[in-house]
Amino acid sequence: AQTVTQSQPEMSVQEAETVTLSCTYDTSESNYYLFWYKQPPSRQMILVIRQEAYKQQNATENRFSVNFQKAAKSFSLKISDSQLGDTAMYFCAFMGPVMNRDDKIIFGKGTRLHILP
Amino acid sequence: DGGITQSPKYLFRKEGQNVTLSCEQNLNHDAMYWYRQDPGQGLRLIYYSQIVNDFQKGDIAEGYSVSREKKESFPLTVTSAQKNPTAFYLCATQPPPGLNRYTQYFGPGTRLTVL
Repeated sequence: AQTVTQSQPEMSVQEAETVTLSCTYDTSESNYYLFWYKQPPSRQMILVIRQEAYKQQNATENRFSVNFQKAAKSFSLKISDSQLGDTAMYFCAFMGPVMNRDDKIIFGKGTRLHILP
Repeated sequence: DGGITQSPKYLFRKEGQNVTLSCEQNLNHDAMYWYRQDPGQGLRLIYYSQIVNDFQKGDIAEGYSVSREKKESFPLTVTSAQKNPTAFYLCATQPPPGLNRYTQYFGPGTRLTVL
């Protein structure tokens, strides 16, 4: 069974700093998707970034980028120039196998990130 | 407004009562999902539906029931058989085949408290 592990329950960084959130996963599949979702205090889940396993290039979205290491089954999120609005719970998530009609996402337990002024 | 709506935002239930949480979408997405969120637990899948009139149990379906009579609606009933229903409930949808096929989009959630 696939699992997703986020080893950092909570982190704090100063505004404008760069922060990296860790995520590892376990799967025997070769074709899958990985996600980072953000849940601010409003509790609305927001997709931050998505990575297809068959793509070697790391995904980026403005200040957010990932370091996808397929062999190591690692999928970390880097937030550059962090802002107060980045304060949230961040969830790493896995979906696979993508050709299976039974599309389900497995979520990690989350990392609570505090951006300090 | 396009998107996913969940109602009510807050819901209080007395022990022994069934309650129904609403999830409506106008995104024309085929698949819909219900998750439960507890502190320190992440999100856990309760039920999901890929098409109308069809649904499957997730990892923690005991004490819950769903229906999918319309594409736009996927209500979740929390029955009296659910022993610890106090939690935050999230509904999500997933687009049909296309650019964002393997991405889920979430509603704003319902906070259920048992009194």
